[in-house]
Amino acid sequence: EAGVTQFPSHSVIEKGQTVTLRCDPISGHDNLYWYRRVMGKEIKFLLHFVKESKQDESGMPNNRFLAERTGGTYSTLKVQPAELEDSGVYFCASRLLGAVNTEAFFGQGTRLTVV
Amino acid sequence: KQEVTQIPAALSVPEGENLVLNCSFTDSAIYNLQWFRQDPGKGLTSLLLIQSSQREQTSGRLNASLDKSSGRSTLYIAASQPGDSATYLCAVRYNQGGKLIFGQGTELSVKP
Repeated sequence: EAGVTQFPSHSVIEKGQTVTLRCDPISGHDNLYWYRRVMGKEIKFLLHFVKESKQDESGMPNNRFLAERTGGTYSTLKVQPAELEDSGVYFCASRLLGAVNTEAFFGQGTRLTVV
Repeated sequence: KQEVTQIPAALSVPEGENLVLNCSFTDSAIYNLQWFRQDPGKGLTSLLLIQSSQREQTSGRLNASLDKSSGRSTLYIAASQPGDSATYLCAVRYNQGGKLIFGQGTELSVKP
């Protein structure tokens, strides 16, 4: 069974450009999460989907970030326009819905560099 | 504020040693706690999940303990090997919704 898959693995863009990150969760996992790690800091939560609905978006840094999960399958995270401080590694995770105390499975991350 | 702290930030040991990584959390009302491993340039691999009602979990040479009242968890690695070299992350979940709060990690290097 495939794990959580993220595309692309690396992205280098110029300040002001737009980038879209994609996450394909494990099949059947209705919980989907986005996290990011900026240089020297801990991994921080961005937002949480349950199926196609945003359950918690308290970690989204500002309105330049837009996450979608149309149809409740894969998710995209768009940064528009990108700023230098957006550089970091963006992780996606998925987890079963309805089961108590299940573990989260993470993708390999997308390393975003804004120059 | 709910925070997770990991000590030490980095650790270097000779092969064969038993070692302990520490994780502390400020709010003891956790739902569960998960230990992860991250290899350079890779994603997070789940090692152990401890439910709030449990005291410890074991998987092979790994043993994780949980003391909710003191806000601490430890990850014990027995007979360390060079292949154990990685960053170890502790993450706490406070509700069923499931967002994780991470520590900064401990970077472990096991020398042959």
